[in-house]
Amino acid sequence: EVVLTQSPGTLSLSPGERATLSCRASQSVSSNYLAWYQQKPGQAPRLLIYGASSRATGIPDRFSGSGSGTDFTLTISRLEPEDFAVYSCQQYGSSLTFGGGTKVEIK
Amino acid sequence: QLQLQESGPGLVKPSETLFLTCTVSGGSLSSSNYYWGWIRQPPGKGLEEIGYIYYSGSTYYNPSLASRVTISVDTSKNQFSLKMSSVTAADTAFYYCARLHPVMYYFDHWGQGTLVTVSS
Repeated sequence: EVVLTQSPGTLSLSPGERATLSCRASQSVSSNYLAWYQQKPGQAPRLLIYGASSRATGIPDRFSGSGSGTDFTLTISRLEPEDFAVYSCQQYGSSLTFGGGTKVEIK
Repeated sequence: QLQLQESGPGLVKPSETLFLTCTVSGGSLSSSNYYWGWIRQPPGKGLEEIGYIYYSGSTYYNPSLASRVTISVDTSKNQFSLKMSSVTAADTAFYYCARLHPVMYYFDHWGQGTLVTVSS
């Protein structure tokens, strides 16, 4: 099973700042099979990025994904108030697993 | 607009069987090439895939849960269901149903989720 480790656990930033979230895999993951989700309290996850770098429908271009192999990154170029949430990565290899999440909170 | 909605008991006793249904609207389970999956999330913790099913009935289960889980589909009702036996307090979680892309394996549409508590 591929284990995804997300860091940091919590990121404290101000609106307008840049957020850089890391997702590290215990073994190589095909870029085709790496996705990112946003989850707000009391809500279901929402797909942000698939295929490591493709934005899902309706996702603003301030969200971008990059990476390959075992290291992937989600970047939010300028945080808007609605971006403060928990972000999780997910991979598919021989099985499907999620990372533990990074909480982006208001500083 | 595709929508998914979970339904089922919010409280299940230890050792009993959890049963949830996901009703799909705005699209047909059997006319698309997608998988349909279940994911759970203990309060305050991360997401865990439970398994998924194709409209034809073929299934995949998380190996850690496979011995207790059955996912089935009813195309006539546009629903798919989760059955989990011998539940314990560790199965207390929010349970989500979602649509899974068949090639790139990401979940693009989610239900709102339902909290299932295992307690006597």
